[in-house]
Amino acid sequence: GQNIDQPTEMTATEGAIVQINCTYQTSGFNGLFWYQQHAGEAPTFLSYNVLDGLEEKGRFSSFLSRSKGYSYLLLKELQMKDSASYLCAVRNAGKSTFGDGTTLTVKP
Amino acid sequence: GAGVSQSPSNKVTEKGKDVELRCDPISGHTALYWYRQSLGQGLEFLIYFQGNSAPDKSGLPSDRFSAERTGGSVSTLTIQRTQQEDSAVYLCASGTGTIDTQYFGPGTRLTVL
Repeated sequence: GQNIDQPTEMTATEGAIVQINCTYQTSGFNGLFWYQQHAGEAPTFLSYNVLDGLEEKGRFSSFLSRSKGYSYLLLKELQMKDSASYLCAVRNAGKSTFGDGTTLTVKP
Repeated sequence: GAGVSQSPSNKVTEKGKDVELRCDPISGHTALYWYRQSLGQGLEFLIYFQGNSAPDKSGLPSDRFSAERTGGSVSTLTIQRTQQEDSAVYLCASGTGTIDTQYFGPGTRLTVL
């Protein structure tokens, strides 16, 4: 089976950098995905990693270490609109197992 | 359409009734996924389709839940004899393959009274 752990809540200041960690134990792995979900809305794709290392996409970057079962999402130059839930998900063929999400609050 | 659509957007039903939820994926997307999300929780995988086939049904909570997909396009998720614990947002997503980005629909909020 799969087990995904991420912090429940985080708070950061506008303009700052925040790192959201995700650890996983998995019986199969085809990639790790990060999604953003605003309250009352559907998740939207942010980033994914299949191989070890850092993937950068504008203000968002994601890192993966498969040997450690560890990933993080890095958000730079935080904006108020980044206040949302961030979901880590491990893919195994067509099945995705999601963590419970990290609620990020960005304060002025 | 431009994105994944789901209907109805909201459904209120009485315990014991059957409900049918519909998902229209992005045109050309061969993979289709169903999840449910309870308040404040992460997404719970239910089932996925590759074309019209469902290789993994392991997430369906009970035999009251079933899903089908026809013509490699529209999918329906049916819940028979609904229970209060079935209340959740049911999300559908589609993609171009089973290892790819998933694009989510707006969801159907199901409330079982």
